[in-house]
Amino acid sequence: DAKTTQPPSMDCAEGRAANLPCNHSTISGNEYVYWYRQIHSQGPQYIIHGLKNNETNEMASLIITEDRKSSTLILPHATLRDTAVYYCIVADSWGKLQFGAGTQVVVTP
Amino acid sequence: EAQVTQNPRYLITVTGKKLTVTCSQNMNHEYMSWYRQDPGLGLRQIYYSMNVEVTDKGDVPEGYKVSRKEKRNFPLILESPSPNQTSLYFCASSFSVGTSGSGGQFFGPGTRLTVL
Repeated sequence: DAKTTQPPSMDCAEGRAANLPCNHSTISGNEYVYWYRQIHSQGPQYIIHGLKNNETNEMASLIITEDRKSSTLILPHATLRDTAVYYCIVADSWGKLQFGAGTQVVVTP
Repeated sequence: EAQVTQNPRYLITVTGKKLTVTCSQNMNHEYMSWYRQDPGLGLRQIYYSMNVEVTDKGDVPEGYKVSRKEKRNFPLILESPSPNQTSLYFCASSFSVGTSGSGGQFFGPGTRLTVL
């Protein structure tokens, strides 16, 4: 099963872009990369996912390297409400999801 | 409103007293899953279900049971709860995961369980 590695924490200034890295060197060719975030003890919130192409939605952009061994989630204009733990996960074909430890992102004024 | 509901939201119980945490979704999702979250750790998957009558173990299934008799419901059963099952539990659902990649999971609001 593919596993992910993320930095434990990072800070970001409000209004600036936040770039969150994730390593998934053992990802299989047909596995997707998903990003979620969790604010305090609320239920995690889906952000974005991708296979090999870069993806963008109203919340964020996802950049996946050509060899698919790593990815970066980009929050283009971070706000205080983006302070959360961000999880990068790889979806196993049998439905077994493995969350990493996540990155605690703190957005400061 | 599309949602995943869990009940109860908070529960304090004693060791050995059987309990069930219910989970229901109204989005016609095939996939449902249970996670637990403990301080300092990320989410760990307990059980998941790809569809009705299909369930499989996640990373930490010991001490838990599940059933999927209907598409919308996926209850989590603790036959004989122990203090090490004190945790925050989340139920989630989606249309599918893995190779199809059709979208993300919707998570419920969580159930905070304390076993004394």
